[in-house]
Amino acid sequence: DTAVSQTPKYLVTQMGNDKSIKCEQNLGHDTMYWYKQDSKKFLKIMFSYNNKELIINETVPNRFSPKSPDKAHLNLHINSLELGDSAVYFCASSQGGHYGYTFGSGTRLTVV
Amino acid sequence: GQSLEQPSEVTAVEGAIVQINCTYQTSGFYGLSWYQQHDGGAPTFLSYNALDGLEETGRFSSFLSRSDSYGYLLLQELQMKDSASYFCAVRSGGANNLFFGTGTRLTVIP
Repeated sequence: DTAVSQTPKYLVTQMGNDKSIKCEQNLGHDTMYWYKQDSKKFLKIMFSYNNKELIINETVPNRFSPKSPDKAHLNLHINSLELGDSAVYFCASSQGGHYGYTFGSGTRLTVV
Repeated sequence: GQSLEQPSEVTAVEGAIVQINCTYQTSGFYGLSWYQQHDGGAPTFLSYNALDGLEETGRFSSFLSRSDSYGYLLLQELQMKDSASYFCAVRSGGANNLFFGTGTRLTVIP
């Protein structure tokens, strides 16, 4: 069973479009995250969310919005896509404390 | 904010030992983690140090010195499959957020 699953794995879309990436975890973790990995492989946190609190990295444009229908899901919605949004987006979850993050396999977004 | 520095690339011979260093600056430090990422793959958790000292997990060990804001990952008996990028990360702020370093690309050669 996949612990953290993301769909789609690849996403190619035109500038100006709106797209969503879905994420689900079956680990029972309390907190989920979205990370962006750019072409230089730098991993940058975008959001962290549990059932009580959403923490947004202040540098993330408001075109990006997380949506969580329940504790096991944290989807990422992106409005008005720009070329600079091209990257690999990783969903992750954690139980907190000394436990590590479990990452999904990533979604490679290409904006043309 | 957070700042983590690692060497960008390291090359080592199969069977050897390699050390990947990480220096960090952060407020509210809660621990240093290490992750491995193969090309095209997802980061996977290797180790976590909350206190000073060495933690050993098989061929991998991780060290932390909080007074020096410094840590390292030690890989022993290198294998070709260890070729990957390695990231240090600090826990900081709310919600157990992890902030990652710039990553070190390790290449293991025969």
